[in-house]
Amino acid sequence: AQTVTQSQPEMSVQEAETVTLSCTYDTSENNYYLFWYKQPPSRQMILVIRQEAYKQQNATENRFSVNFQKAAKSFSLKISDSQLGDTAMYFCAFMKHENFGNEKLTFGTGTRLTIIP
Amino acid sequence: DAGVTQSPTHLIKTRGQQVTLRCSPKSGHDTVSWYQQALGQGPQFIFQYYEEEERQRGNFPDRFSGHQFPNYSSELNVNALLLGDSALYLCASTSRGIPRGYTFGSGTRLTVV
Repeated sequence: AQTVTQSQPEMSVQEAETVTLSCTYDTSENNYYLFWYKQPPSRQMILVIRQEAYKQQNATENRFSVNFQKAAKSFSLKISDSQLGDTAMYFCAFMKHENFGNEKLTFGTGTRLTIIP
Repeated sequence: DAGVTQSPTHLIKTRGQQVTLRCSPKSGHDTVSWYQQALGQGPQFIFQYYEEEERQRGNFPDRFSGHQFPNYSSELNVNALLLGDSALYLCASTSRGIPRGYTFGSGTRLTVV
């Protein structure tokens, strides 16, 4: 079974600064995907960024980037130029590669991020 | 383009009752997954439906059951409700053509008293 650990329950940062959220995972699989999801007070899970394990290049999406260390089983999220709208719960998630229709996401316990004006 | 729609948004039930939650997937999606998110926790996978069949199931008792209809919408049923079933229930949809991209709804907040 896979596990995902987020060791930072809460973080806060000043607006416009950079913040890094940590995530580690445990798996014996070699082919998998990693995700960061954002959950604002509206409750909807919003995909922030996705990383395929077979890709060595770290994924980036505008102000969001990851540091994927496969050997260390680490997957951190860096938010640059943080904005007030980034305030939310952030969840790291793991998905083992399976035949379509048989996949599931395993989530960590989340990090509550607050951007201070 | 409507995203994933869940109903109702909030629900209060009494212990022992039964509840049905509903989900309409995003247009063009044919696969629906259900997750339970307890307060202060990450979502836990309940089950996934594709082609009207339950394809995979998480560690949830048989009191949790589901269904997928020909129009791809889905229902989650929970029987004999327990206080511990109080949670946010999230529905997520995707399609074979989307590279592991799930779209989530805003959930149904179920409170069992």
